[in-house]
Amino acid sequence: ETGVTQSPTHLIKTRGQQVTLRCSSQSGHNTVSWYQQALGQGPQFIFQYYREEENGRGNFPPRFSGLQFPNYSSELNVNALELDDSALYLCASSGWGFTGELFFGEGSRLTVL
Amino acid sequence: KNEVEQSPQNLTAQEGEFITINCSYSVGISALHWLQQHPGGGIVSLFMLSSGKKKHGRLIATINIQEKHSSLHITASHPRDSAVYICAILSISNFGNEKLTFGTGTRLTIIP
Repeated sequence: ETGVTQSPTHLIKTRGQQVTLRCSSQSGHNTVSWYQQALGQGPQFIFQYYREEENGRGNFPPRFSGLQFPNYSSELNVNALELDDSALYLCASSGWGFTGELFFGEGSRLTVL
Repeated sequence: KNEVEQSPQNLTAQEGEFITINCSYSVGISALHWLQQHPGGGIVSLFMLSSGKKKHGRLIATINIQEKHSSLHITASHPRDSAVYICAILSISNFGNEKLTFGTGTRLTIIP
């Protein structure tokens, strides 16, 4: 039990739709990061938020966007869904960027039809 | 070529065997994480290393910064150690921010 919860756990969307995934951080953690993991692959870093500001981004297009709220919970939004967006989306919280221990949620599995 | 390479991709061993999983990387890093992922997706952080060696129970992680290489060892392996083990490197992107780059993982199966 990491104290990081994600919702929803599973969802199905169609191409062109928009999706919002949510993550609640472990208490006291001000950094959250999001990852996309395709089947059989390692996770890919999407972006990181620190104190409500994006402070790092991987190689993902602008239709992947995020928010971090004052309570340090976070959202990942994906617009104009494509079939290749089907994946497990993981969030992780930490006390200070990536140099502290990362606490992962169980993930949200997105299927795009 | 990926910045992070893990070997082997798959490993099957008998209970009790000593396990070694390797991670090599090609860029300068400030830290390296070892993670464990069970079926269903949940990821647990095992270690974060920037130099030397760390030990936790039956798990040992080492890193050689000069050789750009890290290893994860499991002593007295047990079926509950069966999982995918992933290494991830922390480096600075071309834009000057931190980024975490993952290997594709090593699938470990321990047979009773």
